Amino acid sequence: KAGVTQTPRYLIKTRGQQVTLSCSPISGHRSVSWYQQTPGQGLQFLFEYFSETQRNKGNFPGRFSGRQFSNSRSEMNVSTLELGDSALYLCASSLYRGNTGELFFGEGSRLTVL
Amino acid sequence: DQQVKQNSPSLSVQEGRISILNCDYTNSMFDYFLWYKKYPAEGPTFLISISSIKDKNEDGRFTVFLNKSAKHLSLHIVPSQPGDSAVYFCAASPRLQGAQKLVFGQGTRLTINP
Repeated sequence: KAGVTQTPRYLIKTRGQQVTLSCSPISGHRSVSWYQQTPGQGLQFLFEYFSETQRNKGNFPGRFSGRQFSNSRSEMNVSTLELGDSALYLCASSLYRGNTGELFFGEGSRLTVL
Repeated sequence: DQQVKQNSPSLSVQEGRISILNCDYTNSMFDYFLWYKKYPAEGPTFLISISSIKDKNEDGRFTVFLNKSAKHLSLHIVPSQPGDSAVYFCAASPRLQGAQKLVFGQGTRLTINP
């Protein structure tokens, strides 16, 4: 059974640009969450999607957005990139929303903003 | 504010001995706690969890203890093996707000010395 797949694995952008990251959850998983990992802040929750609807949102500015498609694949977008957006962006999937938080993470997309 | 804290950034333990990783939390709404393990260049993987109605959960070499009155949990690894060398993240879930919205600590890097 394939795991959570994230693309691209690495990317470099400059300030002011925008970026789109993609996540394919484990087959059959309907909930997709996104987390940002930075050395100073650890892993921080960005948002969660279930059945193409955002169900939960963390404390990030509106420059961070996401969506989920009917096949449960998800994308997140960051507009007007800032240096502080440099981070590892992790996607996690789970079978349904009522589970106990045992998320399955992808390997992440490492974004560097210059 | 940091609702989940892992005060030890690193821990070094000899192979075969016990490893104890600690975690403190401040939000009394948290009712489910998890430990994740992360190797370099990989996403976090779920290790063990505990519900707030329990004070201990065991899975092979791994045991998690929860002290609700102290808002403290710990992960014990016995005996420690070289393959246990990784970064360990403590996470808490306010399940009423959605199990996917995990709040993570900043991680403890565990090194097992042969």
